[in-house]
Amino acid sequence: GAGVSQSPRYKVAKRGQDVALRCDPISGHVSLFWYQQALGQGPEFLTYFQNEAQLDKSGLPSDRFFAERPEGSVSTLKIQRTQQEDSAVYLCAAAVAEVTEAFFGQGTRLTVV
Amino acid sequence: AQKITQTQPGMFVQEKEAVTLDCTYDTSDPSYGLFWYKQPSSGEMIFLIYQGSYDQQNATEGRYSLNFQKARKSANLVISASQLGDSAMYFCAMRLLSGSARQLTFGSGTQLTVLP
Repeated sequence: GAGVSQSPRYKVAKRGQDVALRCDPISGHVSLFWYQQALGQGPEFLTYFQNEAQLDKSGLPSDRFFAERPEGSVSTLKIQRTQQEDSAVYLCAAAVAEVTEAFFGQGTRLTVV
Repeated sequence: AQKITQTQPGMFVQEKEAVTLDCTYDTSDPSYGLFWYKQPSSGEMIFLIYQGSYDQQNATEGRYSLNFQKARKSANLVISASQLGDSAMYFCAMRLLSGSARQLTFGSGTQLTVLP
């Protein structure tokens, strides 16, 4: 996906544990999106950044979910007190501008046990 | 709110044949973009093709073409000369081009299997 890197690729967390998922977009991609993809479903929007500004967080499912992009490049999605329903693939996408095509990373598969 | 519907959970096609993956959408906004992505088992979403709502001609990208029928609100993906490597999950998605929402809205996907 044109260099969008996500880490870790896989994460197993015990219920109640906090996790942090990282997205490193390619340089110059000012728009950054986070999506959640449940098994067998299409991705669902979580939040959107333009540079360091979080312009839309309407998709975050609860206040346990928090995202940041402090310097307008790397972004971190944090989930506090994980629950089993948080198990999903978390995809990061980046774009040069708001309405251009988005390039996706390979995602982080989170499993909460 | 926007909605994307993909009614084919799974499709099979013989290698070298053409296949059409269906997508219908719903929006009241006149300015939007339609996208198709491929997701192989590795998990990465790969951009395939884009159609803007005001584009007069159907989009084409190599073996991929988008059959855009605006009045019917459909944006079907046609893959010509299928290859074994085309086996993957395919997602149709939409983004509004006006207003503040910039995210993609995805359908539930179609699992395509190419048979040798």
